[in-house]
Amino acid sequence: EVQLVQSGTEVKKPGESLRISCKGSGYIFTNFWMAWVRQMPGKGLEWMGIIYPGDSDTRYSPSFEGRVTMSADKSINTAYLQLNSLEASDTALYFCARRSDIDVVVDGSNSHAKTFDMWGQGTMVTVSS
Amino acid sequence: DIQMTQSPSSLSASVGDRVTISCRASQTISTYLNWYQQKPGKAPSLLIYTASNLQGGAPSRFSGSGSGTDFTLTISSLQPEDSATYFCQQSYSNRVTFGQGTNLEI
Repeated sequence: EVQLVQSGTEVKKPGESLRISCKGSGYIFTNFWMAWVRQMPGKGLEWMGIIYPGDSDTRYSPSFEGRVTMSADKSINTAYLQLNSLEASDTALYFCARRSDIDVVVDGSNSHAKTFDMWGQGTMVTVSS
Repeated sequence: DIQMTQSPSSLSASVGDRVTISCRASQTISTYLNWYQQKPGKAPSLLIYTASNLQGGAPSRFSGSGSGTDFTLTISSLQPEDSATYFCQQSYSNRVTFGQGTNLEI
């Protein structure tokens, strides 16, 4: 069974750093990109960035560039999200999500549908003084 | 970034109803549009990919259509378990963006 299991609830103070883990199982961890998505209370989904555990290639959203670091430890099938200089507005539910690229035909050409087909259970982060 | 706008933001319907949710992209995205369902306190789950392909395990009462900038998610006959928030997501750009969500109450 494919599973992503995230670390537990975090309570932080403004200015502190956060590190969340996401352990994958039931699939070849190094073959799939892993994204991080956050959801502020009662709000929509915000893509933070993505990492390829096979070679640690990363792409970050400009909204978080300079404050976020994504990493992966292939030996234990675990991806990490680090977010620095926390503010109250970083209070949110943070998800890891596996990206699965499905072969499709789009406009008559072979292509890939980039989908998030498996998600972690979410890690609630509260930032408060 | 490509902006995704869903409508309505919320709706209320009854068991057995046919429901449609719209999603509009700020620029053409071909059919690189996915739909997710999120129940309270849970992670989203993939329903539809590339606008109209049903994800394995998703009920056949869900369907999707559209291309370019305008897309629709349809639930043919609402069931109580369909009460959830639905999000569209474009994968045309490497900088993925989501719609703001449609809260469906049954």
